[in-house]
Amino acid sequence: QKEVEQDPGPLSVPEGAIVSLNCTYSNSAFQYFMWYRQYSRKGPELLMYTYSSGNKEDGRFTAQVDKSSKYISLFIRDSQPSDSATYLCAMREKTSYDKVIFGPGTSLSVIP
Amino acid sequence: ETGVTQTPRHLVMGMTNKKSLKCEQHLGHNAMYWYKQSAKKPLELMFVYSLEERVENNSVPSRFSPECPNSSHLFLHLHTLQPEDSALYLCASSQDPGQDYEQYFGPGTRLTVT
Repeated sequence: QKEVEQDPGPLSVPEGAIVSLNCTYSNSAFQYFMWYRQYSRKGPELLMYTYSSGNKEDGRFTAQVDKSSKYISLFIRDSQPSDSATYLCAMREKTSYDKVIFGPGTSLSVIP
Repeated sequence: ETGVTQTPRHLVMGMTNKKSLKCEQHLGHNAMYWYKQSAKKPLELMFVYSLEERVENNSVPSRFSPECPNSSHLFLHLHTLQPEDSALYLCASSQDPGQDYEQYFGPGTRLTVT
């Protein structure tokens, strides 16, 4: 079983839709969770970062962590064409600052 | 811009060539990383430097040789590469140690080995 699994998509939604992106993981020691956005021909950029179960909101983005189910989600409200990108989940153990494990990414297209 | 720059942005090299990738961070971080990103695969951590000392080498072939002369600069020296080494090579930096941990990525070097 892979440490981090993520539906690769591609996911195509109409503008204005609510998007749900998900990752599951197997290592119960993971405590820090990140979402990165990667546009074509660019490096990943950090979108959201959280280390506790529950929800964290930042504008149109909400990160949700359920440690009991080993499941994290990123919700995008009122999706825009500019949200079209690949979204990578990432996570690490508390003390393993240098061992971040990434999911393979989900490709999202928001159609005007 | 994230404060991490990489040059060149694109590189085409033959299998017998020697080339180097450069990364520079302007964030005051003291940990730097090389990742390989191949199509439809997760990012693969190649090397980690913390305080200019290598702390991770994930069984990367010796044809990849990193160098970290100071906390702001990181190089990846390439020689006798194989076509399967064609990928996007990403550099990242972070503050080490730090509980509020974030890695900031550069734009990457798109490498094609012919």
